[in-house]
Amino acid sequence: GAGVSQSPSNKVTEKGKDVELRCDPISGHTALYWYRQSLGQGLEFLIYFQGNSAPDKSGLPSDRFSAERTGGSVSTLTIQRTQQEDSAVYLCASSASVKNIQYFGAGTRLSVL
Amino acid sequence: ELKVEQNPLFLSMQEGKNYTIYCNYSTTSDRLYWYRQDPGKSLESLFVLLSNGAVKQEGRLMASLDTKARLSTLHITAAVHDLSATYFCAVDIKGGSEKLVFGKGTKLTVNP
Repeated sequence: GAGVSQSPSNKVTEKGKDVELRCDPISGHTALYWYRQSLGQGLEFLIYFQGNSAPDKSGLPSDRFSAERTGGSVSTLTIQRTQQEDSAVYLCASSASVKNIQYFGAGTRLSVL
Repeated sequence: ELKVEQNPLFLSMQEGKNYTIYCNYSTTSDRLYWYRQDPGKSLESLFVLLSNGAVKQEGRLMASLDTKARLSTLHITAAVHDLSATYFCAVDIKGGSEKLVFGKGTKLTVNP
């Protein structure tokens, strides 16, 4: 595609529910990143995928958060048993290879009531 | 732990004026990025700075990098309303993970 695509653009959920956020990177980009943007914390790294290598999960805030990337393309970020503090904009980015410019999607705004 | 500090966090300026946004980072880095974000929009890449003394310019924006001082600046010349946005600097850890560490952003408002 022309850019990084994320869905849904907005998600409202109740506390305790599970949510799945989807990212479709730029075609041919081997690296994919998830970040979280919130008022109090700014932009925080969550997880990084590069090709077939083991993902860098060092930014995931708790074991309620997980992500997978299927077929080296689409990625899904799953948050289980959502809490109000999970409310934020979740941004996905992709890059052609390591150390290259990361191109960002428009994000998914998650609101946990 | 790599830390990135931007200042100011909020900047209100008149059209036609010049100003500089500063980005300090705490450890050696491979490269420094500047991004722009409009409200409700994605982050747009502006500049990538790779080496000490690097300077890049695009229109009214000029970015520079001093790796010895661990400092990057984003200079705005003769500001126009269209430059109103939030500007982020981001740094990756030299020899480390590919993740970017972002500053908190500078919200720029250019008033007519």
